[in-house]
Parts: sequence; structure tokens; C-alpha cells
Amino acid sequence: KQEVTQIPAALSVPEGENLVLNCSFTDSAIYNLQWFRQDPGKGLTSLLLIQSSQREQTSGRLNASLDKSSGRSTLYIAASQPGDSATYLCAVSRSGGGADGLTFGKGTHLIIQP
Amino acid sequence: DVKVTQSSRYLVKRTGEKVFLECVQDMDHENMFWYRQDPGLGLRLIYFSYDVKMKEKGDIPEGYSVSREKKERFSLILESASTNQTSMYLCASSLGGGNQPQHFGDGTRLSIL
Repeated sequence: KQEVTQIPAALSVPEGENLVLNCSFTDSAIYNLQWFRQDPGKGLTSLLLIQSSQREQTSGRLNASLDKSSGRSTLYIAASQPGDSATYLCAVSRSGGGADGLTFGKGTHLIIQP
Repeated sequence: DVKVTQSSRYLVKRTGEKVFLECVQDMDHENMFWYRQDPGLGLRLIYFSYDVKMKEKGDIPEGYSVSREKKERFSLILESASTNQTSMYLCASSLGGGNQPQHFGDGTRLSIL
């Protein structure tokens, strides 16, 4: 059974710092990996999707990498801002063509101090 | 922008009641999903559907059923609500064909008393 782990569980840093969030998964037979952010009391917002054949994806100040063979992904946030404060969730596709659901990590709760 | 709308933000029901949670998406997505989110357990998949009238069990389907009579609407049904079904319920949708991001609604916080 796939398990997804995110480290650290919580992180508090001053504004302006670059930071890395980590995600690991136990079964490397994934179809894709997605990073989401969740604001308190809200649903999830998709940030980046990395296909299993890709190594990384970038969107603005965000960069996500994928090392499928070792079961790891990182989310790099450059020049952090208070608006980046949220819970960040990593999720992998269960199997098959992506119509299956996702298996989620428990998230990293990020606070950016002004 | 994709819009996934869940009919209620907050809902309070009593044990034994039959509860319906509704989800509608406006982007003609083939795939729809129901998750629940609990502190310490994270998000877990309950059911999903890849086409009208099709449904597949997720990791925790016990005590739930679903209905997808129209492409844009996916309903989660708690057949006889119990207190352990108190949770945040999140609906999501995605395009078919694989490698498509899932888009989430804002969630329904359901309390069973």
C-alpha cells in the first residue's frame, strides 16, 4: 500500500528565505505527483503536477522536482512571502491512467514571518 | 477557471439520518472524486467516478455510497450517519486522459450528533 510522508510537519521562517519541503513515497510505480496548498478552512489549490517521466516543473517562485526511483520529491519556494503561509500537501496518483484518486501526505504547515 | 461547488459549507445531522453531499463542476470533467480530511489522518479517498453512472471504491468506502447521474454532478451519500463520519468532505474533479491536475471544492464540514 502506497504511503506518502512529508517532512517537516511544520516550518516557520522569516520572510525572504528560500525553503525546501520534502515528500517521500514508498511505491515508485506512480503515474504523477502533485503539490497542493491548502489555506485554513478551504479546499486545495493545485500548484504543480509532475508526470512520472519528468524530473521537475516550475511555476513562478515554485519549483518541484521528482526522483521516482528513490521515491522523493521536493518543493522549492524562492523568496518566501507572508502570503505563502499555508499547508502544503504532496500527493501521488494511485495507479493506472490517472483517473484513480490520489494518496496524500499529511502536509507541511508553513508560516512565513513578516 | 474551473469551478467545483459543494452545496453546503457546514452541515449538522443526527446519527442514523441519510445524508446527501452534493458536488457540481462546470468544466465538463470526466473524473470526479470524494475525499474526507481528518486531523492526523490527512485526506483519504472514499469513492471516485470516471464517467456517468460509473463508480469505483477508494480506500475507505464503508458506510458511503455515491451517485453520478449527470456528468457535472457527483453525490456522496451517508446511508445511516454515524458520529465517526464527522469530518471535512472534499470533492474534486479532473479532465480525463491522465496527468491532469485535480481541482477541489471548498469542502463541507459535516458534524454528526
